[in-house]
Amino acid sequence: DQQVKQNSPSLSVQEGRISILNCDYTNSMFDYFLWYKKYPAEGPTFLISISSIKDKNEDGRFTVFLNKSAKHLSLHIVPSQPGDSAVYFCAASYNNAGNMLTFGGGTRLMVKP
Amino acid sequence: DAGITQSPRHKVTETGTPVTLRCHQTENHRYMYWYRQDPGHGLRLIHYSYGVKDTDKGEVSDGYSVSRSKTEDFLLTLESATSSQTSVYFCAISDYGGLDYGYTFGSGTRLTVV
Repeated sequence: DQQVKQNSPSLSVQEGRISILNCDYTNSMFDYFLWYKKYPAEGPTFLISISSIKDKNEDGRFTVFLNKSAKHLSLHIVPSQPGDSAVYFCAASYNNAGNMLTFGGGTRLMVKP
Repeated sequence: DAGITQSPRHKVTETGTPVTLRCHQTENHRYMYWYRQDPGHGLRLIHYSYGVKDTDKGEVSDGYSVSRSKTEDFLLTLESATSSQTSVYFCAISDYGGLDYGYTFGSGTRLTVV
């Protein structure tokens, strides 16, 4: 049973518009959430994170929103650029010695020029 | 990626043969992880290590073993490869400081079992 789910396998947006990627989780013990971006033939790279004590974190064009009551987080990219085309993974962790992350299945974002 | 390398990058092997994948880091990070990536499943944790000779199982550990005899090296072994182990394998590292900057991942090893 997947504890972290990304229900949209793909998303297509026009350059300059907003991209919204969604992620749901089931384990209420999760207290830290991250987003990763992955290009083909490369490893995932860290994008942005948020602690459960916050409901929003911003870094340039990227903003992550956390709704703990709904067990839902989202990544907003504004404005979207063709270079943002990649697979995006959300991941979650709870405080343990291993810093272990549980990943969602990924969403492929395509930004059209 | 800087500081973490995986070898080989690609491998084709026959069913029933043993295979070892290597992850090498130069960051002196405490934690090392092996994940596999499969369509629809994202990244799933196979095994992880929290220090030299300290390892534990992840979500999908059956059919895999690991060893960490030095801080910098984390080996993943498939004792007898099966077609279901065809996948892309990623190694990752993280430090004591928690997850503020997430993991650093290697570039992956694409393994095909025929």
